[in-house]
Amino acid sequence: DVKVTQSSRYLVKRTGEKVFLECVQDMDHENMFWYRQDPGLGLRLIYFSYDVKMKEKGDIPEGYSVSREKKERFSLILESASTNQTSMYLCASSLLTEYSNQPQHFGDGTRLSIL
Amino acid sequence: QQQVKQSPQSLIVQKGGISIINCAYENTAFDYFPWYQQFPGKGPALLIAIRPDVSEKKEGRFTISFNKSAKQFSLHIMDSQPGDSATYFCAATFSGNTGKLIFGQGTTLQVKP
Repeated sequence: DVKVTQSSRYLVKRTGEKVFLECVQDMDHENMFWYRQDPGLGLRLIYFSYDVKMKEKGDIPEGYSVSREKKERFSLILESASTNQTSMYLCASSLLTEYSNQPQHFGDGTRLSIL
Repeated sequence: QQQVKQSPQSLIVQKGGISIINCAYENTAFDYFPWYQQFPGKGPALLIAIRPDVSEKKEGRFTISFNKSAKQFSLHIMDSQPGDSATYFCAATFSGNTGKLIFGQGTTLQVKP
């Protein structure tokens, strides 16, 4: 069965800290995504990767960076956490094909609080 | 042009009723329109999807209606059940978009017993 695992369900950090969110998928998918979910704003794409060491900015990349050293693992980094980054973070993966109908498979999210 | 607008933001329906969630888009290049369902504490999961060459797709109690000329599509949940209570996201994409989806704002559905 398809599995996307996010390392933490809940995380509390302090303003200014460097924060790492980890995501692992076991489906050999090329594509991996990081979203943040806020009420009324839906799912907003932070960063996207279609291959190892490849990354592409999404709609809201400011204040974030990513790392993809291995195909199965995609890390989201908050360089200097701020209170406005308190949110639910979702990781997803999908196959890379020329067609548009590949579903994204999501992890269960990390609820991050920045104090 | 890349936005997908979803309404309503929240919806309360009695058990057995019909739930309707609407989405609108501008980009005519979109060729795939999935709906995702998210239960509390879980990530979204693909529920049902449609391509613009058909006007309707039905899977069990869930139906997508698609109006290409109006650039609108909607999710209908017939005989709504308390177990359908979840957040629903519409989305859109096109071939060559490397798998990226443009999501709507989400609708939180509560089905009352």
